[in-house]
Amino acid sequence: DGGITQSPKYLFRKEGQNVTLSCEQNLNHDAMYWYRQDPGQGLRLIYYSQIVNDFQKGDIAEGYSVSREKKESFPLTVTSAQKNPTAFYLCASSTDRYSGNTIYFGEGSWLTVV
Amino acid sequence: GDSVTQMEGPVTLSEEAFLTINCTYTATGYPSLFWYVQYPGEGLQLLLKATKADDKGSNKGFEATYRKETTSFHLEKGSVQVSDSAVYFCALRIETSGSRLTFGEGTQLTVNP
Repeated sequence: DGGITQSPKYLFRKEGQNVTLSCEQNLNHDAMYWYRQDPGQGLRLIYYSQIVNDFQKGDIAEGYSVSREKKESFPLTVTSAQKNPTAFYLCASSTDRYSGNTIYFGEGSWLTVV
Repeated sequence: GDSVTQMEGPVTLSEEAFLTINCTYTATGYPSLFWYVQYPGEGLQLLLKATKADDKGSNKGFEATYRKETTSFHLEKGSVQVSDSAVYFCALRIETSGSRLTFGEGTQLTVNP
């Protein structure tokens, strides 16, 4: 089945550690996105990529990094510089940048700092 | 900048009641508008969308009409079910803003039997 796969579903991070969240899609989509969701709040954009080997900062990029070396993969690294990383992280993708096309979401990854 | 404002929640209704969740937007161009639904612990699922003024999106008994004159995209359902309990997000997408989704804060809906 086609879709967006995020892993791991649950991740615990110690203070000062970097962690990487995986996002893989087999939909042949050009555009990919990372959003952060805090409890009871809306979604905020971290990074996005319109095409392979290119990406842009979103609204809350500080403390995060990404790469887009392959069309199907868009991993997110949460660095030790991110002071409050505990949140629900959602990866998404879309065919292209046309605004009428739907953006599809993965099932999300929960990150907790211990 | 672009923004979306949703009615504050939470909203609690009895089964078979009529639902309205208000959504208004501000955008510098001509956005497409979306409603997404999120069940506990899950990602977002597209509920419906509209890509131009006066379009009506519909799915699973839910409807919303793109009103350019009032910059609104209110979600309605004539008779809610317990299974509709979830968080609903209104969002816009516009190519001048990198083609990303800009979300409202979300509205928690609980439907009691």
